[in-house]
Amino acid sequence: DVKVTQSSRYLVKRTGEKVFLECVQDMDHENMFWYRQDPGLGLRLIYFSYDVKMKEKGDIPEGYSVSREKKERFSLILESASTNQTSMYLCASSLRGRAFFGQGTRLTVV
Amino acid sequence: QKEVEQNSGPLSVPEGAIASLNCTYSDRGSQSFFWYRQYSGKSPELIMFIYSNGDKEDGRFTAQLNKASQYVSLLIRDSQPSDSATYLCAVVPQSSGTYKYIFGTGTRLKVLA
Repeated sequence: DVKVTQSSRYLVKRTGEKVFLECVQDMDHENMFWYRQDPGLGLRLIYFSYDVKMKEKGDIPEGYSVSREKKERFSLILESASTNQTSMYLCASSLRGRAFFGQGTRLTVV
Repeated sequence: QKEVEQNSGPLSVPEGAIASLNCTYSDRGSQSFFWYRQYSGKSPELIMFIYSNGDKEDGRFTAQLNKASQYVSLLIRDSQPSDSATYLCAVVPQSSGTYKYIFGTGTRLKVLA
């Protein structure tokens, strides 16, 4: 079974904090993704990576950055958290087009 | 026009009936189509994928693709209360150099016991 693991299930952070969300996959997938999911807006792509140190902006990259130093790990960084970044964050990795999601991190910024 | 459109529902069907979920997409050159199921509070899980025109069956699930009309459907036969979830359609547009999925906002399915 493919395993995609996100470091935290729930997080509460203060406005202005730098926030790190970590994601690890164990199946040697090249493609990894970060999405956020909000009611009525669906899944929106923040960033994706198609190889180590390679990244591409998604639809809503503002306020976020990513890091992929190793193939199995893809990190999402909120440079200065704001209340409008309160959301469910989902990491995924994909093989031959089939995406597998982590359990999600519900981030609340207060 | 949204790139991938789904009716948000809820779609209510009685137990044992066929549930029919639809998705339309705007990029005519799209090649890959996926259906994900998402239970409340959980992450999406892949249940079907289809690349070619026609039908693809897997157990109680059938995915149907019509590229000329730009829609993809998911049929769930003998619906069970455990099928109650939100179903997300995902499309990989032709313009995407890699597997950069575009998701619909999902259709909520309620199967009534």
